[in-house]
Amino acid sequence: GAGVSQSPSNKVTEKGKDVELRCDPISGHTALYWYRQSLGQGLEFLIYFQGNSAPDKSGLPSDRFSAERTGGSVSTLTIQRTQQEDSAVYLCASSLAIGRGYEQYFGPGTRLTVT
Amino acid sequence: AQSVTQLDSHVSVSEGTPVLLRCNYSSSYSPSLFWYVQHPNKGLQLLLKYTSAATLVKGINGFEAEFKKSETSFHLTKPSAHMSDAAEYFCVVSNDYKLSFGAGTTVTVRA
Repeated sequence: GAGVSQSPSNKVTEKGKDVELRCDPISGHTALYWYRQSLGQGLEFLIYFQGNSAPDKSGLPSDRFSAERTGGSVSTLTIQRTQQEDSAVYLCASSLAIGRGYEQYFGPGTRLTVT
Repeated sequence: AQSVTQLDSHVSVSEGTPVLLRCNYSSSYSPSLFWYVQHPNKGLQLLLKYTSAATLVKGINGFEAEFKKSETSFHLTKPSAHMSDAAEYFCVVSNDYKLSFGAGTTVTVRA
């Protein structure tokens, strides 16, 4: 079946502009996660959703970052007033449910470049 | 708090020889541990996982890992490397929802 998809695959934006990154999880997966992969910080957790709720937003780097999930499916990560340090690959994952035994399936990522 | 330390940033092996990637973990409770692989310009793929069942875990593509609580280790091995194993490998520890990644080990396979 279809895996996790993300769009766009690449995004180049000017410093100060807002960007939206989209994630389509695997159908039927109730949990959705956002991670960021950058040269300086490695792979880091940003936020997760259980259904449409985000119980843990502690990984969001600043208040310029926000995320929402609607209909228990698609999620959007929004970065306002982008900065050069936001340049990274943003990864989305989904799992059937929450719990340590549930595998997180990753999408191919969105490569964000802020110029 | 939980974390993992990958002891080697880069490992180079000859095709057909064994591969060993070392990982130590820190967790305040019984951990769930994973190894993920990332091929160039590809997404993360789960190799194997440990969730408190058998301590020797077998994964895809001939990889396996052994959980050793006394050593807080979860090393990844493969008896015979293949050219297609060239990639970056991440050791990961999990709480109920959050994956904490190690810094990664880049594997190079020499012909």
